[in-house]
Amino acid sequence: GAGVSQSPSNKVTEKGKDVELRCDPISGHTALYWYRQSLGQGLEFLIYFQGNSAPDKSGLPSDRFSAERTGGSVSTLTIQRTQQEDSAVYLCASSRTGGGQPQHFGDGTRLSIL
Amino acid sequence: SQKIEQNSEALNIQEGKTATLTCNYTNYSPAYLQWYRQDPGRGPVFLLLIRENEKEKRKERLKVTFDTTLKQSLFHITASQPADSATYLCALWMDSSYKLIFGSGTRLLVRP
Repeated sequence: GAGVSQSPSNKVTEKGKDVELRCDPISGHTALYWYRQSLGQGLEFLIYFQGNSAPDKSGLPSDRFSAERTGGSVSTLTIQRTQQEDSAVYLCASSRTGGGQPQHFGDGTRLSIL
Repeated sequence: SQKIEQNSEALNIQEGKTATLTCNYTNYSPAYLQWYRQDPGRGPVFLLLIRENEKEKRKERLKVTFDTTLKQSLFHITASQPADSATYLCALWMDSSYKLIFGSGTRLLVRP
């Protein structure tokens, strides 16, 4: 596609359930980033992929969070045993290469934990 | 501690005027500084990138300055229009950690 695609756009789930968020980056972009944005706040870095490797997972808030990327393309962010503090917008971005190049963002998944 | 500061109060200006937004940072040594625009319910959209060895960058009605001594970037929109109303985010690219660190953004409102 022309831009970064994220699904679902909205997700409401009960506390304790697992959720899976998907990101489809721009074709040919090797770098992929996940961020979290709480209401009225800036973006919080979660994880970065170069190809299928994640050199930096330091931003993942807890071991309930994991992410993978396959085929150098689609990425999934999984949150296990969701908690209310996980409620936020989860944004994915891709760039042609890494190294500070402009990032192209999807419109995010708005996650609400009841 | 490391901080990126953008005005948390909204900037409210008249159409046609120049909007100036400020981004200050402490205890960072960014290789690049980037500005993004974010509309409600949408992801950020890249606007401009300026490198640490550049003082100023322009693109159409947009101008960014970068002062690594003051640790400050200014973002200007000339001849502002109501369509420029949005939240503007500055972000520092850190070569050392390979991360883009975002400020919390400043909301700009341009009155017709």
